Amino acid sequence: ELKVEQNPLFLSMQEGKNYTIYCNYSTTSDRLYWYRQDPGKSLESLFVLLSNGAVKQEGRLMASLDTKARLSTLHITAAVHDLSATYFCAVLGNTPLVFGKGTRLSVIA
Amino acid sequence: EAQVTQNPRYLITVTGKKLTVTCSQNMNHEYMSWYRQDPGLGLRQIYYSMNVEVTDKGDVPEGYKVSRKEKRNFPLILESPSPNQTSLYFCASSFFQGRGEQFFGPGTRLTVL
Repeated sequence: ELKVEQNPLFLSMQEGKNYTIYCNYSTTSDRLYWYRQDPGKSLESLFVLLSNGAVKQEGRLMASLDTKARLSTLHITAAVHDLSATYFCAVLGNTPLVFGKGTRLSVIA
Repeated sequence: EAQVTQNPRYLITVTGKKLTVTCSQNMNHEYMSWYRQDPGLGLRQIYYSMNVEVTDKGDVPEGYKVSRKEKRNFPLILESPSPNQTSLYFCASSFFQGRGEQFFGPGTRLTVL
């Protein structure tokens, strides 16, 4: 059974700082997704990572995938308040997409 | 505009009163799915459908039914809702049998009293 673990679950960071969110998963998969969710809103797709070593960047966010370590990271560079949201990773198993529990990020001045 | 729509967006009902939450997508996606989101538990898949007339259970299917008679629609049916089904529900769709990017609907907040 595929399990997906994110950490930290809560993250309070100062504007301008860097930080990394980790997503570990328990069984082999070749497809990992990152989503953003603002309070009371739906999920917005950020990145789709398809292969080992994949790296994608959008603005201050960069995601990477290491399929051998079964690990993906979401790196935040020079955080700004607009990045405050909950971030989910999701891993495709045999069929269902399994989500991590999410990382609630709060960027403070 | 490419989108996934859900109705209703908010619903308060009572235990045992059958209800249906509709989901429709206009992107010609084969794959559609229902999730529920609960605090501290993340998103959990209820049912999914690879194509018309093909549905399968996800992680938490008990108490729910679905149907896929047309490609664009994937309604979620609660035959006899109970308070533990109070949750935020999302419908999603994608190409490539779920292997493509998933597009999520706006969500339906259901309260069962």
